[in-house]
Amino acid sequence: GENVEQHPSTLSVQEGDSAVIKCTYSDSASNYFPWYKQELGKRPQLIIDIRSNVGEKKDQRIAVTLNKTAKHFSLHITETQPEDSAVYFCAATLSGNQFYFGTGTSLTVIP
Amino acid sequence: DAGVIQSPRHEVTEMGQEVTLRCKPISGHNSLFWYRQTMMRGLELLIYFNNNVPIDDSGMPEDRFSAKMPNASFSTLKIQPSEPRDSAVYFCASRIRQGSGNTIYFGEGSWLTVV
Repeated sequence: GENVEQHPSTLSVQEGDSAVIKCTYSDSASNYFPWYKQELGKRPQLIIDIRSNVGEKKDQRIAVTLNKTAKHFSLHITETQPEDSAVYFCAATLSGNQFYFGTGTSLTVIP
Repeated sequence: DAGVIQSPRHEVTEMGQEVTLRCKPISGHNSLFWYRQTMMRGLELLIYFNNNVPIDDSGMPEDRFSAKMPNASFSTLKIQPSEPRDSAVYFCASRIRQGSGNTIYFGEGSWLTVV
């Protein structure tokens, strides 16, 4: 099956700086890559996603890039704010049947 | 839409007792997933259903775990007998199974503590 690795496991940044979280996947057939944000005690919630036919996608301060050749994708958060502090999960799936999650990155934005 | 609804939200039970977790997926969604989340292992897929049929239960840890989906609007995850190492947050999630880009939506989770 698919294997998704995520780095780093923890990340601290100063407010206003950028944060980058990276994931690699093993199955070249995977074609959909969502990112979830999980605040303490809450459910994971989708923040952005990308499909395999797209190299980059942006939504305000959040962007995701995908390199199919290298089988890695990254989440970029610019102008970080304290409310961005949470655990972020990447995932990979082939046609949405099984979603394989990374181990999560705990992001702390220091005011 | 109320989203994915799970119950109970919190349960504390004694070792050896039976635990039943319940899930109501989003109306119209035809895939349902059960995940377990712990600090050590992160989000683990236990089982998923397409159109009420179990497709992959390879993530179910032991025979003590069982899951059913008798109809499109209800699923249960049962642990019998429960053990302290089953303590975790159990998430149910659902999606519309069409195309490749429909992501899954999580419920609020059931926080299980086995003492």
